Amino acid sequence: NAGVTQTPKFRVLKTGQSMTLLCAQDMNHEYMYWYRQDPGMGLRLIHYSVGEGTTAKGEVPDGYNVSRLKKQNFLLGLESAAPSQTSVYFCASRKPGDTEAFFGQGTRLTVV
Amino acid sequence: AQKVTQAQTEISVVEKEDVTLDCVYETRDTTYYLFWYKQPPSGELVFLIRRNSFDEQNEISGRYSWNFQKSTSSFNFTITASQVVDSAVYFCAFMYSGGGADGLTFGKGTHLIIQP
Repeated sequence: NAGVTQTPKFRVLKTGQSMTLLCAQDMNHEYMYWYRQDPGMGLRLIHYSVGEGTTAKGEVPDGYNVSRLKKQNFLLGLESAAPSQTSVYFCASRKPGDTEAFFGQGTRLTVV
Repeated sequence: AQKVTQAQTEISVVEKEDVTLDCVYETRDTTYYLFWYKQPPSGELVFLIRRNSFDEQNEISGRYSWNFQKSTSSFNFTITASQVVDSAVYFCAFMYSGGGADGLTFGKGTHLIIQP
């Protein structure tokens, strides 16, 4: 099984550009999450979704939008990228009632 | 809100030494889970252990052991006879177990360097 797949793995953006990160899971999980990892900060929750068509803000949602049009996909959008959004982004998913979260391999985004 | 503190930013030891990574958490919840993840230089997150707040038994898995003490709100991780392959960033994390969709709250991580 593929598990959780993030696309792309690496990306360099110029300030002000927009982009979308894709997270796809093939485990039929209801819950999906986007985290960002910054040096010395650990992982912090950006947004999450409890099911198709629903999203909610996490700890650091500003500057990001998300969509969950299909159960298996969770999209993270940056409308106008800023250097402060340079980070490694991780997607995760899990089943309701289960505590095991499955993580993608991460996307390294650099905004110059 | 919960908080996870990993006070050790970086630890460097020589191979074969034992090393303990500290994790202290703060919460008002009575039911929760604690986790340890490993992030090797390749960057992926590797799940190591999950512990329920009601289960204070220590756990040993090969060279790895975990000590959970609710009285001190700590969930420490010990590597015995460390090896170079143990070099990584280790994260402690918390999750409320009330049945909702809560995400994980991570500590800032401890960078463990095992020197040959």
